[in-house]
Amino acid sequence: EADIYQTPRYLVIGTGKKITLECSQTMGHDKMYWYQQDPGMELHLIHYSYGVNSTEKGDLSSESTVSRIRTEHFPLTLESARPSHTSQYLCASSNRGGEETQYFGPGTRLLVL
Amino acid sequence: KNQVEQSPQSLIILEGKNCTLQCNYTVSPFSNLRWYKQDTGRGPVSLTIMTFSENTKSNGRYTATLDADTKQSSLHITASQLSDSASYICVVSAGNAGNMLTFGGGTRLMVKP
Repeated sequence: EADIYQTPRYLVIGTGKKITLECSQTMGHDKMYWYQQDPGMELHLIHYSYGVNSTEKGDLSSESTVSRIRTEHFPLTLESARPSHTSQYLCASSNRGGEETQYFGPGTRLLVL
Repeated sequence: KNQVEQSPQSLIILEGKNCTLQCNYTVSPFSNLRWYKQDTGRGPVSLTIMTFSENTKSNGRYTATLDADTKQSSLHITASQLSDSASYICVVSAGNAGNMLTFGGGTRLMVKP
């Protein structure tokens, strides 16, 4: 089982609140990713990072922001949550070179009322 | 545009039966193809990975095939078990900078006793 953790697992929050979804991995992976997945739908990449101080936007436009101050930590922040942000957010990491298999965390299910 | 299409969208089979899931892709340039298993409410877990030169790869009761000429892959599950109930996601990696992934919509498999 992959050593990648996400907290909280579930979050119900009111519109306008600021939230931070935590993601950490203990595998020493350089690359980390955030995906958004609606129920029964495919994953969409919203942010990724190739290493410390590196962050890029993914294919799906998102109002969230990320930071990568430490290798093992890749938090995602929503400054003002809206009902349209309701979704599952999955964090993943991979190492450089080789097969670059992405290992996924358990996800955070976010409900914005 | 890179795309990955999976069929069927959903499938119900009886415990002990075999099944085959299909994946067609139009990702270019092609680097590798992975099959992931995603249990409800969890992150995806890698089952197999195949590169251009590989035609088949097995992981226990899971056997994946790849036809790079027709850009098709299949995942065959033998002697299904109740624990096989999950979404199976085909993921294709482009052989360009970043090795970005294109996800299929998944096949939701339900194994009934």
